[in-house]
Amino acid sequence: GAGVSQSPSNKVTEKGKDVELRCDPISGHTALYWYRQSLGQGLEFLIYFQGNSAPDKSGLPSDRFSAERTGGSVSTLTIQRTQQEDSAVYLCASSWTSGGAEGELFFGEGSRLTVL
Amino acid sequence: GENVEQHPSTLSVQEGDSAVIKCTYSDSASNYFPWYKQELGKRPQLIIDIRSNVGEKKDQRIAVTLNKTAKHFSLHITETQPEDSAVYFCAVLTNDYKLSFGAGTTVTVRA
Repeated sequence: GAGVSQSPSNKVTEKGKDVELRCDPISGHTALYWYRQSLGQGLEFLIYFQGNSAPDKSGLPSDRFSAERTGGSVSTLTIQRTQQEDSAVYLCASSWTSGGAEGELFFGEGSRLTVL
Repeated sequence: GENVEQHPSTLSVQEGDSAVIKCTYSDSASNYFPWYKQELGKRPQLIIDIRSNVGEKKDQRIAVTLNKTAKHFSLHITETQPEDSAVYFCAVLTNDYKLSFGAGTTVTVRA
């Protein structure tokens, strides 16, 4: 696709429910990141996928959060037993890791999660 | 991991004046230093970047300078305009191709 695509753009859920957020990166981008951004705050790193390497999960805030990336392309972030403090915008981004454009990160529009 | 510090956290400037944001990093092997601008309610977007083989790069009213010895780099915005009001994030790429972000600077341009 032309850019990083995220779905859903908005999700309202009840406390305790599970949610899945999807990210479709730019074709050919080997690096994929998930960030969380609360209102007025910075970019909180969650997880990083790079090619076939083991993902860097050091930013996941609890074991309720998990993510996978299938076939080196689409990624899904899953939040189990959602809590109100999980309410935020979840941003996905992707980039090349070779060819001279390493690190140029392209962000999706984000998925806004509201936990009631 | 990489530690990126960004200052100031907020910056208010008069329209037409210059704005400077500074970032420091810890990993001397870092080799790519982008700046992102995030307008209210929008996604962050790359505005300028520099790789470690140059010391300065300009694009119209914005410029980035890099001091690899001191491990710091700065964003300079000249002749600021109201549309420059946004949150700016610096970032650093390490050898494992992971990008680490600073905490952000909220810039307000007063008319």
